[in-house]
Amino acid sequence: TQLLEQSPQFLSIQEGENLTVYCNSSSVFSSLQWYRQEPGEGPVLLVTVVTGGEVKKLKRLTFQFGDARKDSSLHITAAQPGDTGLYLCAGGPHTGNQFYFGTGTSLTVIP
Amino acid sequence: DSGVTQTPKHLITATGQRVTLRCSPRSGDLSVYWYQQSLDQGLQFLIQYYNGEERAKGNILERFSAQQFPDLHSELNLSSLELGDSALYFCASSASGAEVNEQFFGPGTRLTVL
Repeated sequence: TQLLEQSPQFLSIQEGENLTVYCNSSSVFSSLQWYRQEPGEGPVLLVTVVTGGEVKKLKRLTFQFGDARKDSSLHITAAQPGDTGLYLCAGGPHTGNQFYFGTGTSLTVIP
Repeated sequence: DSGVTQTPKHLITATGQRVTLRCSPRSGDLSVYWYQQSLDQGLQFLIQYYNGEERAKGNILERFSAQQFPDLHSELNLSSLELGDSALYFCASSASGAEVNEQFFGPGTRLTVL
């Protein structure tokens, strides 16, 4: 059982389309991070959200932290092939100071 | 480039063997984290060290151990290797072990156990 569930697991869209990726948990997190990972490389931090209801924008990417700090979403506007990658949400420290990564969403943007 | 270095990049070994993976954190970072990533399990947190002390333990097997040295580099030791240990092992570092942990990942070590 994963503490952080992401949906969808796979997403293939055309360049220029919009998309939203979700990260859900039944647990409360003090903060959530979003990372993007390309094949064979380590995850790269995109953003950290810490306040319930917080919205952060990074160019065409919009991140939102749920009011109850149990979920988060990532919205990409006008997706580009360079957005292709594995998107991971992460939360912690949680019980026992552990850190958890979500199940991941593999995004492919077709030119 | 995240500033976190890991060696070796690739490692091929046989079942029953022991290997050591090495990680150097970003300059100034006190926390080091180890993760295992496999296709079926995703990214799994193994262990965290903060300024030389173990701070948190995740799904780390008893056959695995880690330590952080006074110069803050860390090593992950994997022993009695099994086929299922084949995975990407990532090290990450962060400035502190506090509430908001923005982690910076190294390029990983790909371990193949034959």
